[in-house]
Amino acid sequence: QVQLVQSGAEVKRPGASVKISCRASGYIFTSYEIHWVRLAPGRGLEYMGWLSPNYGNTGYAQKFQGRVILTSQTSTNTAYMELSGLKSEDTAIYYCTRGPRALWYDDHWGQGTLVTVAS
Amino acid sequence: QSVLTQPPSVSGAPGQRVTISCTGSSSNIGAGYDVHWYQQLPGAAPRLLIFGNDNRPSGVPDRFSGSRSGTSASLAITGLQADDEADYYCQSYDSSPSGPVVFGGGTKLTVL
Repeated sequence: QVQLVQSGAEVKRPGASVKISCRASGYIFTSYEIHWVRLAPGRGLEYMGWLSPNYGNTGYAQKFQGRVILTSQTSTNTAYMELSGLKSEDTAIYYCTRGPRALWYDDHWGQGTLVTVAS
Repeated sequence: QSVLTQPPSVSGAPGQRVTISCTGSSSNIGAGYDVHWYQQLPGAAPRLLIFGNDNRPSGVPDRFSGSRSGTSASLAITGLQADDEADYYCQSYDSSPSGPVVFGGGTKLTVL
């Protein structure tokens, strides 16, 4: 069955960076996009960006442009999301998701990774 | 402030029918882009409930249905059950700088 397994919770200081991994299994990694979405307290779901593991193409929501980098390693079926310049408002649960190409929805979700930004 | 507008909360008694609206604009739903819906149970990751406006993934009961018209979409839940109590989010593609993907702010469904 399709599974997306994310790395564990992180606590970071303001200004630091965080890198979250998302290991996929149960399907052909390069046949689907990986999207990243976060859920912040009281703010609902926020879309961050997408990655095509097959081509290495990426796209980012304007809000996160310049602060987020999405990468993948096809040899290990793993995607990564790195967010820099962390602020307290970045405290959230971060999800990787699987998306059928160019259909812009998420048919499977990782379990989520809690990132806490505090001094 | 989310690009797609949902009511913050709805409620209904077991067995009843409830609907959740999702209002967008000419750069997303009104442009003909598909609407998708997610259910997030307490403490769990969201799961896909409806894709492509009115399609259910395998395993989703037919008590859940979706529709789209103009700049809006709706999720209907019939035969309400206690374990339907969750947060529900709509999603669509958006061609403006707000995109490429936008979500509604979420609706908390309470089963009375």
